[in-house]
Parts: sequence; C-alpha cells; structure tokens
Amino acid sequence: EPEVTQTPSHQVTQMGQEVILRCVPISNHLYFYWYRQILGQKVEFLVSFYNNEISEKSEIFDDQFSVERPDGSNFTLKIRSTKLEDSAMYFCASSADSLRGTYNEQFFGPGTRLTVL
Amino acid sequence: GENVEQHPSTLSVQEGDSAVIKCTYSDSASNYFPWYKQELGKGPQLIIDIRSNVGEKKDQRIAVTLNKTAKHFSLHITETQPEDSAVYFCAASIREYGNKLVFGAGTILRVKS
Repeated sequence: EPEVTQTPSHQVTQMGQEVILRCVPISNHLYFYWYRQILGQKVEFLVSFYNNEISEKSEIFDDQFSVERPDGSNFTLKIRSTKLEDSAMYFCASSADSLRGTYNEQFFGPGTRLTVL
Repeated sequence: GENVEQHPSTLSVQEGDSAVIKCTYSDSASNYFPWYKQELGKGPQLIIDIRSNVGEKKDQRIAVTLNKTAKHFSLHITETQPEDSAVYFCAASIREYGNKLVFGAGTILRVKS
C-alpha cells in the first residue's frame, strides 16, 4: 500500500533558525498539503499545492513559510525564522489519484515533530 | 469560514459495546466528510468518509451518518475492540477535491477489556 513519508521524524531547532521539513507524497497524487497540530489542539490546515503553485493557504501561512516541489517526488515546507509558537507536529498529506480516479481522500504522513527552543 | 465541533472529547466504553461520536459543521456548502483515526505517534489515518449525496455509509463495524438539514454527521463503531482505542477526528471539506480539510477537536476513545 503506497504511503506518504516524512523526514525527519523529529527536528529540534533554535528560535530564529530556518528549518526544512520534507515529504514524499503518494505517487500519482496531484494535490499536496501541509497541516500542523499543536500539542492537544486541532489539526490545522496550512497550505495546499497543485500544479506547482499554491492553491490555497491559511492565515497561519505567512511570509515566514514557503513550500516547494523541487523535483518529481519531494514536497517541502520551509520556515525561514522559527518562533517558539511554531513548535508543533507537521503533517504532509496528498490526494487526487489521477490513475485510480479517487479525488477526495487525503492521505497523511506520520508527521514531523518540530521543537523550537 | 467553516467550523467543525466534535463531541464528546473523551469516550470510554466496554469492549463489545458501541461507540458514537458526533460532529456539527457550520458551512452548508461543505460536501465531503471524512473520519480519521490517529494512534499515538502516528499521522491521521482515513477510516471512512461520506459525501453529501448520501445519508449513510457502512464498512464492516464502522458506519457514518449524515444529516444535511441539521448539518451534523456521526461515526458509529459497533462491537468495539481494544485496538479501536485511539483519537478520532471528523473533518469537513467544501470542494470536491483539492480543498482543505477543517478538523474537529478530536475524541479520545478508550475501549476497556
């Protein structure tokens, strides 16, 4: 069964540093997403990405955040200058399998726990 | 924007009993409602979903019902087993695909053996 993978599983960084979280979405999927979950809170949408551009972003996704699909398999989230409040679990997801004809289902990766000190 | 409320926040049942988790949504334009199960240290796993053109969907011990008029949907788990213990999230989405999911706050389900 294909799955979304994420690296690293845990990232510790100092406030003000840049971090890059990496994801490999499911092959043949067309849409890619980043969500975050602060400990004990809801899963929150950050950004969606389709056809090499952002299709939607939330208020959380400010100028400190960026996404990129640098090649045919990876999807990255960059936080330029991390803040304490960026500490959270970050989930990558993908959807819209063009070959299997399934469009709504979003499949999530295991997450990257980001700790900002 | 869309807001999803989920109840209860914790639910404890005896093995073999049924569990019901309820969600309400605010945006009548929402038309896709998935349920996710999250085990400790893992990402949310899609377990069942329903689209707005049907009122009920069943998959073995799991069923989901949707009331569009009242804007609420529910997850039903029958014959619960200890491995059903996890956090369950409901979500809602407006577009057919490619749209963000708006999540409920989650329900911690404990199945006691």
